[in-house]
Amino acid sequence: EVRLVESGGGLAQPGGSLRLSCAASGFSFSNFEMNWVRQAPGKGLEWVSYISSSGSSIQYADSVKGRFSISRDNAENSLYLQLNSLRAEDTAVYYCAKVGTYDVYFDFWGQGTLVTVSS
Amino acid sequence: AIQLTQSPSSLSASAGDRVTITCRASQGITSGLAWYQQKAGKAPKLLIYDASNLESGVPSRFSGSGSGTDFTLTISTLQPEDFATYYCQQFNSFPVTFGGGTKVEIK
Repeated sequence: EVRLVESGGGLAQPGGSLRLSCAASGFSFSNFEMNWVRQAPGKGLEWVSYISSSGSSIQYADSVKGRFSISRDNAENSLYLQLNSLRAEDTAVYYCAKVGTYDVYFDFWGQGTLVTVSS
Repeated sequence: AIQLTQSPSSLSASAGDRVTITCRASQGITSGLAWYQQKAGKAPKLLIYDASNLESGVPSRFSGSGSGTDFTLTISTLQPEDFATYYCQQFNSFPVTFGGGTKVEIK
């Protein structure tokens, strides 16, 4: 059974930092591309970042480019998102999502971790 | 970035109804489109990928069609458990983008 479990969310001050983690199990993590997707309270889904299976290819949404950093540890079956220079508009539930077999759609999602940016 | 426009943004329907949701892309994306269902407080669930392929385990009352810029998600016979918000997503090119969502409510 595929499982994705996010952690690391919480309250951060504007300008602060957080590091999100996603622990993967039930599939061959090193063979699959991964993503982070977020959802602000009461709003729709927003793609945040993508990383290839080896970590050699990375993409970011313009809204987070230069502030967020995605990485992965295939030996630990873990995905990460480093959030720096946080803004109020970064407040959201952050989901890690596994890419499907054939293309960049998301066939499995974690339960999400809430990041709140407020002073 | 490719923009996805979903319509309607919300609809009211009864169990047993046929429901159609459309998603229009600002430029051609061939068949690079997926559909998701999201219930309150839960993560999204993949329903359809590559515009018309039904994800394993998803009931056959869900179907997708379209290519290029115009896509449709159809629920043939709405069930009580289908009341949720539905999103389209394009993966033809980065940045990946989502439609604004369609909330399906009980009439």
